[in-house]
Amino acid sequence: GEDVEQSLFLSVREGDSSVINCTYTDSSSTYLYWYKQEPGAGLQLLTYIFSNMDMKQDQRLTVLLNKKDKHLSLRIADTQTGDSAIYFCAERDNTDKLIFGTGTRLQVFP
Amino acid sequence: ETGVTQTPRHLVMGMTNKKSLKCEQHLGHNAMYWYKQSAKKPLELMFVYNFKEQTENNSVPSRFSPECPNSSHLFLHLHTLQPEDSALYLCASSQEGPAGGYEQYFGPGTRLTVT
Repeated sequence: GEDVEQSLFLSVREGDSSVINCTYTDSSSTYLYWYKQEPGAGLQLLTYIFSNMDMKQDQRLTVLLNKKDKHLSLRIADTQTGDSAIYFCAERDNTDKLIFGTGTRLQVFP
Repeated sequence: ETGVTQTPRHLVMGMTNKKSLKCEQHLGHNAMYWYKQSAKKPLELMFVYNFKEQTENNSVPSRFSPECPNSSHLFLHLHTLQPEDSALYLCASSQEGPAGGYEQYFGPGTRLTVT
């Protein structure tokens, strides 16, 4: 079946860039998404990219998609303590279901 | 963010109780979803409703019973649950079809503890 994988933890210093990586197996994915979940909250949609794009930038966020390698990344520039959260990658499969990764916990330290 | 609301936010219930979770979306979307989020597991899709019709039941035990009376409201009726059903239950909505961006918007979740 389809699989989405992420590393579990990432720790960065405040002001540095964070790069969260994701790999997926479904070559027919149409859209790929990044969600953020803060403690005790639901998932907040950060950004998404259509599969025929290779980059999307939105303020401090840059999404890169390498469709050949089935690799998606989220770069957060000038990372702040408020960015500490769990980040989920998800892909929309050919049945229009979202398949989520297990999430990457980003910790930002001063 | 008040686009998708869920009540209650926290629920503790015994294994013999019956309770319901409620979700309401104010975004004019035509599809709604229930997900289960357990520790250290990926988000699990439970049910999908498209235009009030259930289009997906992801092998969910019958002790979970969804209801979608209209495109803005979604319920999850719970009865005779097990301790392993303790989790965060998330509701989401999206606009499906040519006019939609397909992104799903989530509610804050109901933290369920089964004792």
